[in-house]
Amino acid sequence: DAGVTQSPTHLIKTRGQQVTLRCSPKSGHDTVSWYQQALGQGPQFIFQYYEEEERQRGNFPDRFSGHQFPNYSSELNVNALLLGDSALYLCASSIFTGGTNTIYFGEGSWLTVV
Amino acid sequence: RKEVEQDPGPFNVPEGATVAFNCTYSNSASQSFFWYRQDCRKEPKLLMSVYSSGNEDGRFTAQLNRASQYISLLIRDSKLSDSATYLCVVNLSGGSYIPTFGRGTSLIVHP
Repeated sequence: DAGVTQSPTHLIKTRGQQVTLRCSPKSGHDTVSWYQQALGQGPQFIFQYYEEEERQRGNFPDRFSGHQFPNYSSELNVNALLLGDSALYLCASSIFTGGTNTIYFGEGSWLTVV
Repeated sequence: RKEVEQDPGPFNVPEGATVAFNCTYSNSASQSFFWYRQDCRKEPKLLMSVYSSGNEDGRFTAQLNRASQYISLLIRDSKLSDSATYLCVVNLSGGSYIPTFGRGTSLIVHP
């Protein structure tokens, strides 16, 4: 049973460029959430996708966008990269059962903006 | 006030010690609670859920105090391998099941 997989694991981009990160959820999970984690901080919620729709969004600018595909996989796109976008980007998958949803993370994508 | 607050530490303890972390949350509508463990440069991994009646998993005990809006994690007989960052996670209810993370508490267990 594959867990959450993300790609790429590491990448370096230049200010102003665009980046796309990809995520495949854990088998049986239908909800994908994206988090940004800066050094020394907890993960910050970017947005969540369910049934190919953005269901919730955190306090992130419109430069951050996403998509969910029919097979539940997801992409995170960041446009006009800033130095401050350098962080670990975590994808988490879940399914709502028993009145709650427990999330499982992928290994993350380390983004460095120079 | 942040939604979920944790003392960042670090907590520096010898092997065999007992250590406790607290986490406070601001939204009284919060319904589910978790502790995650994160090793250096790795993804967070679920350590344990926190139930209203409190729960134990080996050397780890989690407790919830709804009246005071805090959860705790107790680690007994600390091992070197327990060194990590422990993240408190709170889930709101009412259709907005977005896990909200604290910044984490760093634990260093030394010989």
